Amino acid sequence: GAVVSQHPSRVICKSGTSVKIECRSLDFQATTMFWYRQFPKQSLMLMATSNEGSKATYEQGVEKDKFLINHASLTLSTLTVTSAHPEDSSFYICSAPNDRGGDEQFFGPGTRLTVL
Amino acid sequence: AQSVTQLGSHVSVSEGALVLLRCNYSSSVPPYLFWYVQYPNQGLQLLLKYTSAATLVKGINGFEAEFKKSETSFHLTKPSAHMSDAAEYFCAVSGNTGRRALTFGSGTRLQVQP
Repeated sequence: GAVVSQHPSRVICKSGTSVKIECRSLDFQATTMFWYRQFPKQSLMLMATSNEGSKATYEQGVEKDKFLINHASLTLSTLTVTSAHPEDSSFYICSAPNDRGGDEQFFGPGTRLTVL
Repeated sequence: AQSVTQLGSHVSVSEGALVLLRCNYSSSVPPYLFWYVQYPNQGLQLLLKYTSAATLVKGINGFEAEFKKSETSFHLTKPSAHMSDAAEYFCAVSGNTGRRALTFGSGTRLQVQP
């Protein structure tokens, strides 16, 4: 149980295009989901907190108009990278705690975005 | 506010040797602490967690960690390294709960020499 999936696992796009990344909790509900970014050989940095039914909360320095987050349901959050540029190339990972409780959160397998 | 410091970006041990990965934390509230392992191009796998119960925590794959409040440390150990332990290890902290966003350390790459 407690599986989080991400789609796609890898995506390559041209500069200027938009890319949507999905994060799904497969067997639990998650009112809150977190989006992290990991640059090569670096740690994970929190980008934003996705909240079902309300606006996402972005960390300082993260452009909300560039990284659009939509928490469409209790099992799905999407991150859209708009007008992607090569510097947006990164590994994007989502996580979610189970609404039923527990003291941990569950991570997706990540999405590797490469912008040419 | 919270932060994590992992001393040593690279650690190399021989197969069968003791593994010690260091983690120090800072937190303004009682911390929840986690160790994750990441294999190349993969997501994070939880090794173990400290959630204010027992200070010595045992995890998967023979790893364990001890919470020491006086030293603000949560070092990860394994008595005998295996080749399959080669990976990136991240220490993370969250305040009072594991349900909020985590703050991660910079990571330690573990190499295991035959």
